[in-house]
Amino acid sequence: NAGVTQTPKFRVLKTGQSMTLLCAQDMNHEYMYWYRQDPGMGLRLIHYSVGEGTTAKGEVPDGYNVSRLKKQNFLLGLESAAPSQTSVYFCASRGPRETQYFGPGTRLLVL
Amino acid sequence: GENVEQHPSTLSVQEGDSAVIKCTYSDSASNYFPWYKQELGKGPQLIIDIRSNVGEKKDQRIAVTLNKTAKHFSLHITETQPEDSAVYFCAASIGGTASKLTFGTGTRLQVTL
Repeated sequence: NAGVTQTPKFRVLKTGQSMTLLCAQDMNHEYMYWYRQDPGMGLRLIHYSVGEGTTAKGEVPDGYNVSRLKKQNFLLGLESAAPSQTSVYFCASRGPRETQYFGPGTRLLVL
Repeated sequence: GENVEQHPSTLSVQEGDSAVIKCTYSDSASNYFPWYKQELGKGPQLIIDIRSNVGEKKDQRIAVTLNKTAKHFSLHITETQPEDSAVYFCAASIGGTASKLTFGTGTRLQVTL
């Protein structure tokens, strides 16, 4: 059981470039989430999904898009990266009793 | 929406002492309150949680208390050990909203020898 995995671990982008962050879970969880973590601000919800084919906006969705084509995968896209999107991105899936399980994170630097 | 405040932002204790981290929330509809521990370079990991129908919960050296009237909850770690050094986050969730968590800003706990 790998739990929640994220790829890549680290990425450097130039302003205006695009990229996709991949999250995968092998626990058959319905709910999945994308958060960003910035110093002094805790974790903030970007987008989430309550099941395959569904997505919804969280607290800070601007500049990001998501897709949940398969139950085990949740993709986060940046169409035109900006320096303000420099952050650490965490994916999570929700198990029984509302427990969220987090991946190891993707560190993104936008120059 | 929900707002969660967490204090202190940093906490230094000697090994063997107790540590207390406090959080307040704004929405009285919140009914689930987890605590996460994040070690350097890793994702947050759940260490304990409490629901609004319970006032206190214990798991070995860790305990959480909830005061619904005052809308605050606290994490208590007794007999601290160096491996307790990490960043701790509190969070709150309103039932029926896809379990969306609102996190506090974190407390960096350092346990010194």
